[in-house]
Amino acid sequence: DVKVTQSSRYLVKRTGEKVFLECVQDMDHENMFWYRQDPGLGLRLIYFSYDVKMKEKGDIPEGYSVSREKKERFSLILESASTNQTSMYLCASSSPDIREKLFFGSGTQLSVL
Amino acid sequence: EDKVVQSPLSLVVHEGDTVTLNCSYEVTNFRSLLWYKQEKKAPTFLFMLTSSGIEKKSGRLSSILDKKELFSILNITATQTGDSAIYLCAGYSGAGSYQLTFGKGTKLSVIP
Repeated sequence: DVKVTQSSRYLVKRTGEKVFLECVQDMDHENMFWYRQDPGLGLRLIYFSYDVKMKEKGDIPEGYSVSREKKERFSLILESASTNQTSMYLCASSSPDIREKLFFGSGTQLSVL
Repeated sequence: EDKVVQSPLSLVVHEGDTVTLNCSYEVTNFRSLLWYKQEKKAPTFLFMLTSSGIEKKSGRLSSILDKKELFSILNITATQTGDSAIYLCAGYSGAGSYQLTFGKGTKLSVIP
């Protein structure tokens, strides 16, 4: 089974802090994604990556950056956390032949105070 | 802009009932429609549909796609409390670099 692991289930940070959310997958997938999920808004794509050191903006990239130095690891960075970034963050991966079939991690509930 | 609309947004049924969840879509260069089940945190894959009229089944769950009317349904028969979850529908577009649009989900609660 594909395993996508997010480093933290819950995080509490203060406004202005730099926040790193880590995601690791073990299926050698080329594609990796970061989504946020908010009540009433559904899942929204922040950034995605098709290859090492490659990244593309999703629908809501403002206030975020990403890093993909190794194929199995995709990090989401909040340069200066704000209260409106309080959310559930979901990492996902997929293979190149069925890009839309996502395997999700368990999510990180981030609270910014 | 691509759009996926799910209905109802929430639903409460008794164990043993049959439920139908709806998903309509407007997706440019439509390629596929996917259903996910989200319990607790991580959405898990249920079905991927690409062809009209071909039902996909997995146990008590089944789904079908109508590409002419632009909708899909997810059926769950003989519901159990373990079916309680948020069911997500997503439409995938072949246009652009990556376009997978999610609906807001249907929250299903199955009570004993």
